[in-house]
Amino acid sequence: DAKTTQPPSMDCAEGRAANLPCNHSTISGNEYVYWYRQIHSQGPQYIIHGLKNNETNEMASLIITEDRKSSTLILPHATLRDTAVYYCIVRTRRDMRFGAGTRLTVKP
Amino acid sequence: GAVVSQHPSRVICKSGTSVKIECRSLDFQATTMFWYRQFPKKSLMLMATSNEGSKATYEQGVEKDKFLINHASLTLSTLTVTSAHPEDSSFYICSAITGNNEKLFFGSGTQLSVL
Repeated sequence: DAKTTQPPSMDCAEGRAANLPCNHSTISGNEYVYWYRQIHSQGPQYIIHGLKNNETNEMASLIITEDRKSSTLILPHATLRDTAVYYCIVRTRRDMRFGAGTRLTVKP
Repeated sequence: GAVVSQHPSRVICKSGTSVKIECRSLDFQATTMFWYRQFPKKSLMLMATSNEGSKATYEQGVEKDKFLINHASLTLSTLTVTSAHPEDSSFYICSAITGNNEKLFFGSGTQLSVL
């Protein structure tokens, strides 16, 4: 029983920014938002995580709304290799459960 | 980032045999590891949580006698699929939490095919 809602699929043009939304309206105060991605037949790859502040690393940026009920993962310059399923996860200390994710297709 | 090694990457076995899958954290100690199962074009389903030195906690609907989990050290957890049947064919993935409990890193997965 995942706590997040994501669009099932999105397309993005190569070189453009990919903005992937996630709703987590029932998030608790001590729960983090994590993003992972999975390329076909591989284990998920960690992208970024945050609690309430916006975060940025070499892969992406994470924008969390002030009420923490939603967030957006931003891939600033999408490449063909960014084609994958992206999972937004609200994590408790005890475990990490995956929702259905968003299948992002980057097109040339 | 941290590395989690999972072995084997692919295994084919006959119905009725048992298969062991290993998950190792190579450069960090993992007090907690998770095991997931994934069917084609579906999301990952949490099977069990494995804590070093104690019994695993299984999710509802996962048979503990079918899927034996052992976490004997801080760097190794194993999943044994006992008396495998064709319906056990799936992609199995392990993961481990870093020491500060912040990040979860995943193995590359094991594709199990039971004939």
